[in-house]
Amino acid sequence: TQLLEQSPQFLSIQEGENLTVYCNSSSVFSSLQWYRQEPGEGPVLLVTVVTGGEVKKLKRLTFQFGDARKDSSLHITAAQPGDTGLYLCATRAGGTSYGKLTFGQGTILTVHP
Amino acid sequence: NAGVMQNPRHLVRRRGQEARLRCSPMKGHSHVYWYRQLPEEGLKFMVYLQKENIIDESGMPKERFSAEFPKEGPSILRIQQVVRGDSAAYFCASSPRRDRGTGELFFGEGSRLTVL
Repeated sequence: TQLLEQSPQFLSIQEGENLTVYCNSSSVFSSLQWYRQEPGEGPVLLVTVVTGGEVKKLKRLTFQFGDARKDSSLHITAAQPGDTGLYLCATRAGGTSYGKLTFGQGTILTVHP
Repeated sequence: NAGVMQNPRHLVRRRGQEARLRCSPMKGHSHVYWYRQLPEEGLKFMVYLQKENIIDESGMPKERFSAEFPKEGPSILRIQQVVRGDSAAYFCASSPRRDRGTGELFFGEGSRLTVL
């Protein structure tokens, strides 16, 4: 089973600051997804990265996939209180062709106004 | 609401009782997944079902847990003789077909089970 390590585990910042969270594995990812989960809600897909070196932007969020496809990062510019939540990376479990995902433990982000 | 619908949102059971969690996938989706989220373990895959078929139940505990997705009606995750360790958030997710290449899923809002 591929293990995903996310860091930091907790992040508490002020509104307007920038931040980066990381997702790493000792194995190559076939693809990687980032989800955000707000308290009391289910995870919501933010982005899927597939190609090594790929960079995707979603408003103030920038997602990067490492060249070797063993790591990924999520950078948020000028964080807002609405960005507060649990950020999860996930990859499809090895050998499967369906939605059996392995999730990282997540980064709990709190943005203070 | 065209999203994944789960009910109940919150369920309280005493030890030894049964819990039934229901999930209606997004319109047009015929593949359902159940995941469990425990604070100390994160989000873990339990089972993958298509209509009337269990495709992968490798994440289901061997005893007391069962899942179905009948031809008509919602998918049901059933937990018999609940114990305190079953307290968790149970999420259902759906996808339109078996392989989207990257396994993207659409999650419901979850059912939070508390066992007293």
